[in-house]
Amino acid sequence: EAQVTQNPRYLITVTGKKLTVTCSQNMNHEYMSWYRQDPGLGLRQIYYSMNVEVTDKGDVPEGYKVSRKEKRNFPLILESPSPNQTSLYFCASSPAGTSEHRWYFGAGTRLSVL
Amino acid sequence: AQTVTQSQPEMSVQEAETVTLSCTYDTSESNYYLFWYKQPPSRQMILVIRQEAYKQQNATENRFSVNFQKAAKSFSLKISDSQLGDTAMYFCAFMIRGNTPLVFGKGTRLSVIA
Repeated sequence: EAQVTQNPRYLITVTGKKLTVTCSQNMNHEYMSWYRQDPGLGLRQIYYSMNVEVTDKGDVPEGYKVSRKEKRNFPLILESPSPNQTSLYFCASSPAGTSEHRWYFGAGTRLSVL
Repeated sequence: AQTVTQSQPEMSVQEAETVTLSCTYDTSESNYYLFWYKQPPSRQMILVIRQEAYKQQNATENRFSVNFQKAAKSFSLKISDSQLGDTAMYFCAFMIRGNTPLVFGKGTRLSVIA
């Protein structure tokens, strides 16, 4: 089944404890992206990757890092989480160079930073 | 920069009635795509309908249809014969051709009342 898989689905952590949210897609998509969703703000883009080793900042990149060493994986790294990073996070992927102009979303990761 | 505005934070509709959700956007691009996503309580992002800006015909998907007014930069979603399962948050989103990351509105919370 074609899908975008995020892990974990739920995470509670404490301020300053490094964490990684993994994202993997099995559709051989070139583009991948991370969003955070907060009440009243909709979804805002954190980082974007157009292919392996190619990443770009989105609208709210502060406090986050990403890497794209393999085409299928795009982990989101919070090196020193703070309470204002408590949010719902989505990973998404999209194919390049096709007529399929759409993004596929993972199921989301609910993160709470205490 | 592209912006998407949803002016109705919350709406409600009686079961079997019709409801229209509003969305306006701002862009200087001429070729782009517009989307409506549904987010039920499960928080999954579900693509409801997609419109290509170069197509004049409004997109339809079963009970869902859009009113796309390119000159006015308006993209409203009409839900006919509303069902209890339509209760969700609805996001309007914009994408420039080439599968660039989506820009989202802040969402409209729709409640369908029995």
